[in-house]
Amino acid sequence: DQQVKQNSPSLSVQEGRISILNCDYTNSMFDYFLWYKKYPAEGPTFLISISSIKDKNEDGRFTVFLNKSAKHLSLHIVPSQPGDSAVYFCAASAVSTPANYGGSQGNLIFGKGTKLSVKP
Amino acid sequence: DSGVTQTPKHLITATGQRVTLRCSPRSGDLSVYWYQQSLDQGLQFLIQYYNGEERAKGNILERFSAQQFPDLHSELNLSSLELGDSALYFCASSVDGTAQETQYFGPGTRLLVL
Repeated sequence: DQQVKQNSPSLSVQEGRISILNCDYTNSMFDYFLWYKKYPAEGPTFLISISSIKDKNEDGRFTVFLNKSAKHLSLHIVPSQPGDSAVYFCAASAVSTPANYGGSQGNLIFGKGTKLSVKP
Repeated sequence: DSGVTQTPKHLITATGQRVTLRCSPRSGDLSVYWYQQSLDQGLQFLIQYYNGEERAKGNILERFSAQQFPDLHSELNLSSLELGDSALYFCASSVDGTAQETQYFGPGTRLLVL
């Protein structure tokens, strides 16, 4: 049972345009959400996070929106640059995660990722 | 550079063998996490340590074990290896391993079991 879902395996965007990456979750106990970017042969790099008490968090070109009622979050990248081409993972955590995910706070539950290609 | 280091970068071994993956957390971080990324899968949480003690276990096989040493580095031991254990293994660290804390990932160890 996938608790964090990224339904688009890939996304292609023109340089300078907006990239919107989406993520849905099923567990209403999740209260902290993160986006990571991953290049081939490297570890995930933290991009931006948002707590469930907020509905928006901005950091430069990156903005994360959280819609708790819809259990949906999105990452907006404006303007998109070719260097943004990577796999983007959405992750969630909770004060108390389900037992089959460790039953404890802190560990992240990841989506399967969306591969973003930004074309010059 | 996240400040989390992992060795080795690549590992090729045979079925039935045992390997040890090593992770050093960022300076000041007390908690270490291990994740596995198999082909077509997202990152799956394996196990978490905090200041030398096991804090949480995810979908970790009984053939796998880990520990965190007094200097806070951690090792993940994989034994009786099977072909399906071939994957990327990532270590992450955070300050005190609580919710609403960012985890910083190492570059990973790519394990290939032949």
